[in-house]
Amino acid sequence: SQTIHQWPATLVQPVGSPLSLECTVEGTSNPNLYWYRQAAGRGLQLLFYSIGIGQISSEVPQNLSASRPQDRQFILSSKKLLLSDSGFYLCAWSVTGRGTEAFFGQGTRLTVV
Amino acid sequence: AQRVTQPEKLLSVFKGAPVELKCNYSYSGSPELFWYVQYSRQRLQLLLRHISRESIKGFTADLNKGETSFHLKKPFAQEEDSAMYYCALSGLTGGGNKLTFGTGTQLKVEL
Repeated sequence: SQTIHQWPATLVQPVGSPLSLECTVEGTSNPNLYWYRQAAGRGLQLLFYSIGIGQISSEVPQNLSASRPQDRQFILSSKKLLLSDSGFYLCAWSVTGRGTEAFFGQGTRLTVV
Repeated sequence: AQRVTQPEKLLSVFKGAPVELKCNYSYSGSPELFWYVQYSRQRLQLLLRHISRESIKGFTADLNKGETSFHLKKPFAQEEDSAMYYCALSGLTGGGNKLTFGTGTQLKVEL
């Protein structure tokens, strides 16, 4: 069966420090991968999505970047965190096709202090 | 561009009353619409998809291409329906799927 792992669950980082959030998927090949930020009143904002290794699409200009070094690994990064980067980050995956379901990780609560 | 709009942040109804959560979309191609639900302290999960034309937990949603809507309905609300509901649109792009969500509607069912 397919599973998705996202870590860490919570993270407190100082302003100006780097960030690396990791997401891995098991039990499937060539998934679509997604990073979202969930905020009250703003819903699920799509940050990045990837349809294959090394293929990253950015949806909103920001202080973050994403990489996909392996087929089932998706990393969210920042070189220098800002206070405004605080939030709840969700990783998800789906297979390509009509009506396919997306599966979500447990999320990471990032607090920048 | 693909966009999903959920006009209500919060919807409060009494148990047994009908529920309608609104969703409108904008998409130039053939849309794939979904409703996802997040119960307290649980992961976001799929509730239903338009392509299946199914009823899940008493909820239904019909895709209306003329009005570009995909409203979620249930005739009689139950207390356990209280949750955050997200409408989502999946568009095929460059060999993969791009999945965008609305801002969500918090449904509160009161006794």
